[in-house]
Amino acid sequence: DIQMTQSPSALSASIGDRVTITCQASQDISNYLSWYQQKPGKAPKLLIYDASDLETGVPSRFSGSGSGTDFIFTISSLQTEDIATYYCQQYDSVPLTFGGGTKVDIK
Amino acid sequence: QVQLQESGPGLVKPSETLSLTCAVSGYSISSGYYWGWIRQSPRKGLEWIGSIFHSGSTYYNPSFKSRVTISIDRSKNQFSLKLSSVTAADTGVYYCAKPITMLRGVEDAFDIWGQGSMVTVSS
Repeated sequence: DIQMTQSPSALSASIGDRVTITCQASQDISNYLSWYQQKPGKAPKLLIYDASDLETGVPSRFSGSGSGTDFIFTISSLQTEDIATYYCQQYDSVPLTFGGGTKVDIK
Repeated sequence: QVQLQESGPGLVKPSETLSLTCAVSGYSISSGYYWGWIRQSPRKGLEWIGSIFHSGSTYYNPSFKSRVTISIDRSKNQFSLKLSSVTAADTGVYYCAKPITMLRGVEDAFDIWGQGSMVTVSS
């Protein structure tokens, strides 16, 4: 199985800050990586797929980059509504696997 | 607009079989996609359980393979999950989800999720 390691597991930032989350795959997954946002009591919401493609309707302050084993998710200017937990997922091969999550809150 | 809705018992006894159904609206499941089941638990986080194609072809996570069955009912436009011999470790929220495209087979991200069904395993 491909292991997905996310860091940090939690972070606090101020409104307007740039926030960066990393995800590392245990083997090369090309660009087959997605990022999700999950708010309490809700299902995950797809934000980014193919490592850097923004899902329709998602604000442009969210972005993703990387390929191979190392990936970065960025919120360019943190907003109140971005308080959530973020997950990466690889879909290079089955079993599909997710990172452990990064909880983002306000400092 | 495609929507997914899980349903099933919220409480299952240890050693019994967990059964959930995902009703799909706004799209005919006979038209394609590998429809998936994903579990979220405090212990293991998000785990892909398995996926089923409209033809009935399935892929399972080896972590669940000996206990899991995913089936499809094209007449009702729904697919189902059965997980046998459950223990407390199977407690969690179970989601059904639709992959982004039909082009990648089972290996894909998920763009539409159900609201989730909380299942507790307890006597």
